[in-house]
Amino acid sequence: DSGVTQTPKHLITATGQRVTLRCSPRSGDLSVYWYQQSLDQGLQFLIQYYNGEERAKGNILERFSAQQFPDLHSELNLSSLELGDSALYFCASSVDGGEGDTQYFGPGTRLTVL
Amino acid sequence: AQSVTQLDSHVSVSEGTPVLLRCNYSSSYSPSLFWYVQHPNKGLQLLLKYTSAATLVKGINGFEAEFKKSETSFHLTKPSAHMSDAAEYFCVVSISGNTGKLIFGQGTTLQVKP
Repeated sequence: DSGVTQTPKHLITATGQRVTLRCSPRSGDLSVYWYQQSLDQGLQFLIQYYNGEERAKGNILERFSAQQFPDLHSELNLSSLELGDSALYFCASSVDGGEGDTQYFGPGTRLTVL
Repeated sequence: AQSVTQLDSHVSVSEGTPVLLRCNYSSSYSPSLFWYVQHPNKGLQLLLKYTSAATLVKGINGFEAEFKKSETSFHLTKPSAHMSDAAEYFCVVSISGNTGKLIFGQGTTLQVKP
C-alpha cells in the first residue's frame, strides 16, 4: 500500500458526460500528479500540482481540468467524455515535486466510457 | 528532450533463471531514472531509483539496475526469477527542471514459466 488513495475504483459512464476523479496524497507529500494509461498511448503524464499551484502540464486535453485543494487532495475533472477517454487514471504524490523526487502511485481509477 | 526506450515488449524466462529487461535513455545530462512494476490490475510500485550516486542500484525483491553512461543504458536484472515476478515493468526518466514530470517507456511484459 503506497498511502495514496483514489476514488472511485471503477467508473462507467456515457459519452458526453462529466466525471470527477479524486486523489488523496500520502501524508506529508505536497505534490500531486495525474497520469493516464491506455493501450494505445501507454502511460502519459497529464498534470502536476504543488501545494495548490499548477507546476507542470503534459498532454492534457482542454476538456480535462484538475485542481489541488488546501488540504492537498486533488480532483481531476473530465468533461464531454468520448470513447477514447476510456483508460486507467493514476494519481501519484511526492514530497517536494522536483526532478528525481520519488513518486508513489495510487491504485488507479478505471474509467469506461460507453 | 529526455526519453526512454525499452528494447523488448515481451520477455519470457523460466523460474529460477536470470532476468534481463533492457532500457536505453536519451538525455543531454545525467538524468534521474526509475524502474516501476505493475502487477495485473494493480497500481505502480517503485522497484528502484538512480540519482547520480552509485551506478549500481539495488532495489526491492532482488532486482538491481546498472547505470552506464557510455552506453546510455539502465538495464534491470535479477539473478533468479520467481513466479511472482510476472508483471509489466516500466523504465522511467524524470524531466529536468523544477518539476517531477516522468516520462515512461512503453513497458516490458515479463512472463515466468514454471
